[in-house]
Amino acid sequence: EAQVTQNPRYLITVTGKKLTVTCSQNMNHEYMSWYRQDPGLGLRQIYYSMNVEVTDKGDVPEGYKVSRKEKRNFPLILESPSPNQTSLYFCASSPLLRAIEETQYFGPGTRLLVL
Amino acid sequence: GENVEQHPSTLSVQEGDSAVIKCTYSDSASNYFPWYKQELGKRPQLIIDIRSNVGEKKDQRIAVTLNKTAKHFSLHITETQPEDSAVYFCAAPQEKLTFGTGTRLTIIP
Repeated sequence: EAQVTQNPRYLITVTGKKLTVTCSQNMNHEYMSWYRQDPGLGLRQIYYSMNVEVTDKGDVPEGYKVSRKEKRNFPLILESPSPNQTSLYFCASSPLLRAIEETQYFGPGTRLLVL
Repeated sequence: GENVEQHPSTLSVQEGDSAVIKCTYSDSASNYFPWYKQELGKRPQLIIDIRSNVGEKKDQRIAVTLNKTAKHFSLHITETQPEDSAVYFCAAPQEKLTFGTGTRLTIIP
């Protein structure tokens, strides 16, 4: 089954404790991205990647890191989480072609609470 | 920067009535306009999209209209049903794909 998976689905952590949220897709998509969803603010892009070893900042990259060592995986790293990073996070992928004009396939979401 | 504005933020309609959600965008080079539906606790999923070479696209009870001159596009849902209750997001490519802030649609039985 073609899908995007994320782990963990729920995470409670404390300020400053490094964490990683994994994202994997099995559709051979070149383009992958991370979004955060907050009430009243919609979906805001954190980082995106056009292909292996190619990453770029989205609209709200501060406090986050990403890597793209393999085509299927695109982990989101919070080196020192803070309470303002409490949010619902979605990973998404799409075929490159003209990636922002293609269907985005979203993962199930990761709900993060930083105390 | 470039943005996408979506209205209204909340919308309640009686079951069977129609619902309309509107988005405006700023980048005149945008050529692709998708709509995503997010049910409670679920991920956003594409329900319909339109490209700039057409002014309207329909899929059963949902339709999207596009006015490139005015830079706005709208989602129309007719004969609404309880399962239409969800948050709807528009999006437009503006250097990167930019999403609207969402509309929470509630269908009143």
